[in-house]
Amino acid sequence: DSGVTQTPKHLITATGQRVTLRCSPRSGDLSVYWYQQSLDQGLQFLIQYYNGEERAKGNILERFSAQQFPDLHSELNLSSLELGDSALYFCASSPLEVTASYEQYFGPGTRLTVT
Amino acid sequence: AQKITQTQPGMFVQEKEAVTLDCTYDTSDPSYGLFWYKQPSSGEMIFLIYQGSYDQQNATEGRYSLNFQKARKSANLVISASQLGDSAMYFCAMREGPGAAGNKLTFGGGTRVLVKP
Repeated sequence: DSGVTQTPKHLITATGQRVTLRCSPRSGDLSVYWYQQSLDQGLQFLIQYYNGEERAKGNILERFSAQQFPDLHSELNLSSLELGDSALYFCASSPLEVTASYEQYFGPGTRLTVT
Repeated sequence: AQKITQTQPGMFVQEKEAVTLDCTYDTSDPSYGLFWYKQPSSGEMIFLIYQGSYDQQNATEGRYSLNFQKARKSANLVISASQLGDSAMYFCAMREGPGAAGNKLTFGGGTRVLVKP
């Protein structure tokens, strides 16, 4: 158990809908990262927050947004869902803003299926 | 060019034998870090080992060791004495430099390992 929690574990929804994925980092970790794992794109970095502020952005679609709250949990919002958004979404956390020698601790992931 | 390349999509290994998983990387940044993660069929990502670009010695963690050849830009993972529980997908990942660009991990395509009894 990495200490990172993600809810829900599974999510099935229809095209055009909006969903929110939630992540709680390990106790004391200030950085939260979101990754998407899909069959065609592999594992891709989406976005990082550090202590409530956006720090780095990857291949995140405009339909997707995220935020980190004062209690450090984070939410990833996916809207106008398309079939291609079906993927495993991981949240990871680390204590420092820059990964440095600290690994990113991954949560169990949320499997999103868009039908 | 691919930042992280794992050329072996899948491989079999006999239980109790060692296996080497290849990883090559591409970066012009002198400061970077290389990670290996294991993803079993259950889906979670498990950190295995880390190597920093300035580390003088190859990293080791139990049965895992990283064969870091900086000039060749390779960071191969060696799993010794394979166990059935090692059957999983293995990902090589890289962090480049300090600052905002250094926050994300870039992953390779992965290598699926199946340990045979």
